[in-house]
Amino acid sequence: SQTIHQWPATLVQPVGSPLSLECTVEGTSNPNLYWYRQAAGRGLQLLFYSVGIGQISSEVPQNLSASRPQDRQFILSSKKLLLSDSGFYLCAWVRSSSYNSPLHFGNGTRLTVT
Amino acid sequence: AQSVTQPDIHITVSEGASLELRCNYSYGATPYLFWYVQSPGQGLQLLLKYFSGDTLVQGIKGFEAEFKRSQSSFNLRKPSVHWSDAAEYFCAVGAPAGGTSYGKLTFGQGTILTVHP
Repeated sequence: SQTIHQWPATLVQPVGSPLSLECTVEGTSNPNLYWYRQAAGRGLQLLFYSVGIGQISSEVPQNLSASRPQDRQFILSSKKLLLSDSGFYLCAWVRSSSYNSPLHFGNGTRLTVT
Repeated sequence: AQSVTQPDIHITVSEGASLELRCNYSYGATPYLFWYVQSPGQGLQLLLKYFSGDTLVQGIKGFEAEFKRSQSSFNLRKPSVHWSDAAEYFCAVGAPAGGTSYGKLTFGQGTILTVHP
């Protein structure tokens, strides 16, 4: 079966510090991968998605970047965090070969920028 | 562009009572529709999905949802709520095209469900 892992689960970082959140998927190959952010009291916003190694599409302009160095690894980064980067970050995957396969989410990372 | 509206930010029901969470979407064609549930501090779990066919879809944990094209709605229902159903519920819409556009879901703002004993 397929599983998705995100770490760390929680993170407190000072303004101006770098960020690296990691997501890996097991049990499938060539998934489409996504980073969503959930700000307090708001819905989920798609930040980035990737259909393959090295292929990243950004949905919103922001202080963050994403990379996909391996087929099942998706990384969210920032060189200098802003207070507004605080939120709950969710990684998700979908089977690229099946048009009616649902989107599966990881357990998320709670990021607090102080 | 697609959009999703969940009119109720917070709903409180008594345990054993019936539940209906509202969801309205805006999309130019028949979309893919989903309901997800999120417990505090956790990721999202898929409750049910609609792609095509029967407009009444059954999901996990006793939930069901009905797609009504004429009303652009996809309301979530449960006949008898359990205390463990307390969580936040998200409706989402996705474009029914293959490849990259599938996982680019648009989510509603969520409805927080509180269950009283």
